[in-house]
Amino acid sequence: QVQLVQSGAEVKKPGASVKVSCKASGYTFTGYYMHWVRQAPGQGLEWMGWISPNSGDTNYAQKFQGRVTMTGDTSISTAYMDLSRLTSDDTAVYYCATLGPTTSLTAAGTDYWGQGTLVTVSS
Amino acid sequence: DIQMTQSPSAMSAFVGDRVTITCRASQGISNYLAWFQQKPGKVPKRLIYASSSLQSGVPSRFSGSGSGTEFTLTISSLQPEDFATYYCLQHNSYPPTFGQGTRLEIK
Repeated sequence: QVQLVQSGAEVKKPGASVKVSCKASGYTFTGYYMHWVRQAPGQGLEWMGWISPNSGDTNYAQKFQGRVTMTGDTSISTAYMDLSRLTSDDTAVYYCATLGPTTSLTAAGTDYWGQGTLVTVSS
Repeated sequence: DIQMTQSPSAMSAFVGDRVTITCRASQGISNYLAWFQQKPGKVPKRLIYASSSLQSGVPSRFSGSGSGTEFTLTISSLQPEDFATYYCLQHNSYPPTFGQGTRLEIK
């Protein structure tokens, strides 16, 4: 069965960087775009970007341009999201998710989500 | 960015009630809309894609409709497991944007 297993919770100081991993299994990793979505405590969902594990192509939300880097390691079917220059506003649960073989979040396909990784930014 | 506005932001209802949640887009998005359900402490789950297509495995009491700027999610007969927060999402253009959520509670 399809599984996305994320790395554990992180506590970081303001100005630091965090790298969250998302290990995929049960499907062809290179066949599906991987999205990253975050959710601040008690708040709604926010799309951050996607990566094509096959080509390495990425598309980031303008809000995160220059601070986020999404990568993939096809040899271990793992996607990564690296966020730099952290502030307290980055405290959130970060999710990886795949919703189908296209970049679209609203087209046909089954959605699979990682369990989420809590990143806390605090001095 | 396209703004997605849900109404109401919160509501309470009885088991068995028919419930409708509305999502309005700040500009036309054709049918590039999805609905997600999220229960407390759980990951989101997509219920509807392309405005009105039911995700496989989702009960038929859920339905979606709309095109352009106005969309609705309807639950025909609320079940205890449906109490959750619901989000709409547009992906007509980048960046994809979510509504602020509608929290559905038991009355």
